[in-house]
Amino acid sequence: GIQVEQSPPDLILQEGANSTLRCNFSDSVNNLQWFHQNPWGQLINLFYIPSGTKQNGRLSATTVATERYSLLYISSSQTTDSGVYFCAGADYKLSFGAGTTVTVRA
Amino acid sequence: DGGITQSPKYLFRKEGQNVTLSCEQNLNHDAMYWYRQDPGQGLRLIYYSQIVNDFQKGDIAEGYSVSREKKESFPLTVTSAQKNPTAFYLCASSLMTSVGTDTQYFGPGTRLTVL
Repeated sequence: GIQVEQSPPDLILQEGANSTLRCNFSDSVNNLQWFHQNPWGQLINLFYIPSGTKQNGRLSATTVATERYSLLYISSSQTTDSGVYFCAGADYKLSFGAGTTVTVRA
Repeated sequence: DGGITQSPKYLFRKEGQNVTLSCEQNLNHDAMYWYRQDPGQGLRLIYYSQIVNDFQKGDIAEGYSVSREKKESFPLTVTSAQKNPTAFYLCASSLMTSVGTDTQYFGPGTRLTVL
């Protein structure tokens, strides 16, 4: 299956800062998703983005399929952005990275 | 209200017991999935099903079993053969496309603890 690497593993931000999370994948994917896991464990869909760029409020994502990476941008971070961010890529099934733990301090 | 439900939210099991985790979806999705998450780690695929009465092993199927008798239901049984079953279990579902899976949506999870 697809191997997915996320970086950095941990990120500490001051409220209002911008940040970029990266996801590299080992092979071509037909599905690439970003999730946010809240403190209760619920996985929230952020983006379905096998290629191109999408934006949703303060979050945006870009996937460059030919170079096998995806980026998640968080702008003007808030304390509610804290949690673990996962990317997952699929050929016929999703493979998850280990996640980036984001802590936003007030 | 559409979505994916999992029950119970918390489950305690004695060693040697089989337990069954419930997953139901009313999204009319073709495919359903079970994942396991250990503390500080990503999700690993246990089993998945793309159609009723058919399912495939994922990366860590040993000690688990599933059934898919109805489109909306995909229960997972954790058997006594699973050596370290304490974990957070997440169920997901998605539509199928011509090239694979569409967006996967997740239930709230079940935390299983073996006493």
